[in-house]
Amino acid sequence: DTEVTQTPKHLVMGMTNKKSLKCEQHMGHRAMYWYKQKAKKPPELMFVYSYEKLSINESVPSRFSPECPNSSLLNLHLHALQPEDSALYLCASSQAWAASSYEQYFGPGTRLTVT
Amino acid sequence: AQSVTQLGSHVSVSEGALVLLRCNYSSSVPPYLFWYVQYPNQGLQLLLKYTSAATLVKGINGFEAEFKKSETSFHLTKPSAHMSDAAEYFCAVSPNAGGTSYGKLTFGQGTILTVHP
Repeated sequence: DTEVTQTPKHLVMGMTNKKSLKCEQHMGHRAMYWYKQKAKKPPELMFVYSYEKLSINESVPSRFSPECPNSSLLNLHLHALQPEDSALYLCASSQAWAASSYEQYFGPGTRLTVT
Repeated sequence: AQSVTQLGSHVSVSEGALVLLRCNYSSSVPPYLFWYVQYPNQGLQLLLKYTSAATLVKGINGFEAEFKKSETSFHLTKPSAHMSDAAEYFCAVSPNAGGTSYGKLTFGQGTILTVHP
């Protein structure tokens, strides 16, 4: 099973709302990632978790708060977002983070619209 | 610092024709290289990867890519295009040595492949 699942598929939220994106994998991977992808652009790395610890934060605004409750789950908590945060949010996982040869497996993404 | 360039933001081919999507990397040490495909409103799917085991890499859906160190290239090919190949394709690199980019994927800007009957 090489599947990464993400919920919800679509999310519309106002600028004062609090919502969460969820990601799950059951491949035994120890690295998990959040990416943001704007239309017609490649994915941009936001966060990397390795062995359930935050390893990389690519200077992401604090209105995005990641959480890794266990080795299979990754959440992204959203609060006070701006319209420019509207994008496709992709979760990915890989066997390990520090080994660059390991491929990343991506989920289908959550299409977020901030109104 | 490493980078990757995909030549041609749009490529159009006829069904049954050869598909060639170009990718060049810039790195002092040959990196690990990946090709991903993204269908509309979906995530990225790995087509193939190069990790120095063999220069000609075969992937899924009939795609293959050849690593050429002298040309710093990793072009993606498919002998005969199918309508279902229409999608966006991303080349990505990851360094195989230490540094601040270690473990990170750097993506090219993407190439949209159109297949017409």
